[in-house]
Amino acid sequence: IAGITQAPTSQILAAGRRMTLRCTQDMRHNAMYWYRQDLGLGLRLIHYSNTAGTTGKGEVPDGYSVSRANTDDFPLTLASAVPSQTSVYFCASGEYGEQFFGPGTRLTVL
Amino acid sequence: GEDVEQSLFLSVREGDSSVINCTYTDSSSTYLYWYKQEPGAGLQLLTYIFSNMDMKQDQRLTVLLNKKDKHLSLRIADTQTGDSAIYFCAESMPGNTGKLIFGQGTTLQVKP
Repeated sequence: IAGITQAPTSQILAAGRRMTLRCTQDMRHNAMYWYRQDLGLGLRLIHYSNTAGTTGKGEVPDGYSVSRANTDDFPLTLASAVPSQTSVYFCASGEYGEQFFGPGTRLTVL
Repeated sequence: GEDVEQSLFLSVREGDSSVINCTYTDSSSTYLYWYKQEPGAGLQLLTYIFSNMDMKQDQRLTVLLNKKDKHLSLRIADTQTGDSAIYFCAESMPGNTGKLIFGQGTTLQVKP
């Protein structure tokens, strides 16, 4: 059982480029989440999805978009990356507050 | 709005007890959580406490909840070097949406 997988593990990206971070879970959880982790700020929710076909904005959604075509996959897209989006991105899935996290994607935007 | 605050760093000696503190603002939170993040990894749920409880003990971990002061603490007894990690406090957001608000994380350094 893999749990949650994320790809890529790390990426260096030129500003202005488009990038999609992938997230897949095999636990059949309805809810999925995207967070960014920055030093001193903890984890901040970017977007979430309560069930397949629905998405919602979190605390810091600007510059990011998500889709939830099925239960397992929840990709996060940066349409035009900016240096302030340099961060570690975590995908999570869960039910009733218990969330299971992926290993993270370290993204550097130059 | 909702907010969760933690101190950023704690250093203890191996074998001592560690106490990590957290304050939160939303008194309607149903559950409060402690997550652990080891270097280079995602977060893992350590333990949680229901809001109508004062204390929960799980082996070396003790969670204390003071609802009046909106204060949550995690005590780790007999701290080991393997306990070195970042510890995040989190509260559930109103409306039972499953969303969590995380604190900034406390880095626990355990010295041998």
